[in-house]
This record gives sequence, C-alpha cells and structure tokens, in this order.
Amino acid sequence: EVQLQQSGPELRRPGSSVKLSCKASGYSITDYLMHWVKHRPEHGLEWIGWIDPEDGETKYAQKFQSKATLTADTSSNTAYMQLSSLTSEDTATYFCARGGARDYWGQGVMVTVSS
Amino acid sequence: DVVLTQTPVSLSVTLGDQASISCRSSQSLEYSDGYTYLEWYLQKPGQSPQLLIYGVSNRFSGVPDRFIGSGSGTDFTLKISRVEPEDLGVYYCFQATHDPLTFGSGTKLEIK
Repeated sequence: EVQLQQSGPELRRPGSSVKLSCKASGYSITDYLMHWVKHRPEHGLEWIGWIDPEDGETKYAQKFQSKATLTADTSSNTAYMQLSSLTSEDTATYFCARGGARDYWGQGVMVTVSS
Repeated sequence: DVVLTQTPVSLSVTLGDQASISCRSSQSLEYSDGYTYLEWYLQKPGQSPQLLIYGVSNRFSGVPDRFIGSGSGTDFTLKISRVEPEDLGVYYCFQATHDPLTFGSGTKLEIK
C-alpha cells in the first residue's frame, strides 16, 4: 500500500527556517516525481515544485524559487522540503504528493510562523 | 502563468441532485504529445486533497462513476450526479501541461 508519512507540526520564529519530511512506503521514490503543495484556507492550493528523486532535478514555481529547497534521500525513501527566511505568509499546511498524477498525498504538516 | 478560473465559487446542492463545476484556462491545456494534463481534486474538510479525475476524463481508482470530467482545450467541466453527503468539500482543477503547474481557485460544495 502506497503511503506518504509527513513529519509533525512546526512552530518557528520569523526569519528562521524549517525542514519538512515526507517518507514514502509501498513504492520507491525514484520511480516518481515528488510534488509539494501549500494550502491556506483563504488562498486555496498552491503548487510549490517537484523533485525527481532519481537524479535530484528540481522545478519550482517562480514565487517559491528562493523560499523552498527540495531534496530527497533515496536510502531512506524520503523527500524533504526546506523553507527559509520564514514570515507569517509561510504559515500554512504543506503537502507532499506523488507524481505522475499526484495520486497519493501525505497527511499534511502545519507550519506556524509566529514571534 | 496559466490561470484556471473556476465557477461557481460556491455551490449549494440538494442531496441526490447534480452539481456542475466549470474550469476555464487562460491557455490551451493540450500538450505537444496530444495529452491534456487537466486534473480534478476534492479536499474534504480537514483532509488532504484527493485525486478524482486525471487526463480530463479518467476517474482515479475507487472514484465513483457519479464523477464525470469532460472538456478540451481551455474549457473543462466536472459533473457530480446524485450528490451524496461525502461529496462536500472544496473542488480544485489543476493543470500540469504548462510550467509552472497551477491550481484553480476552488469551488466549495455545500449540501443544502
């Protein structure tokens, strides 16, 4: 059974960074792209970018180019997203989703940025 | 960037009735390989988004045949026949034809 297990909720100060994890089971992450998506109820869903864990190639939406860094560790079958220079605008729930057609999603991780 | 305009913003439907959601793209979503990378997702309250439809009209595994996707080029529609209580939530269209990939702004389905 395919599952994506994301790390727990995070509380961070403005200006700091956070690294989120997404551990896959039931398949090898090298077989599919991994996408990351941001959700804020008042803004809907936003696509952040994808990583190809097989070769580390990444693609980002322009607005996340300097905000997010996607990496993957094939030995642990885990994808990561680091968010830097956090502001209140980064307070959101972040999802990982398996590519092709984004058919399996993690449960989401809530990141709160507050002083 | 491709803009996906969803209408209506919200929809209140009686159980058993049909619901229809439109997704209009600012550019054609047909890729050079002939495939149209248009998908529909449902995000139920407090849950992750779930894939309903991919490639305009293909239902994902386990999705009831009450969900029907159609369209081409720049105009797409999701129809939900015989709406059931578990259908409530926010529906999003999504395109993966053009970079960056983009979501529609969402349509909230409520049950009357």
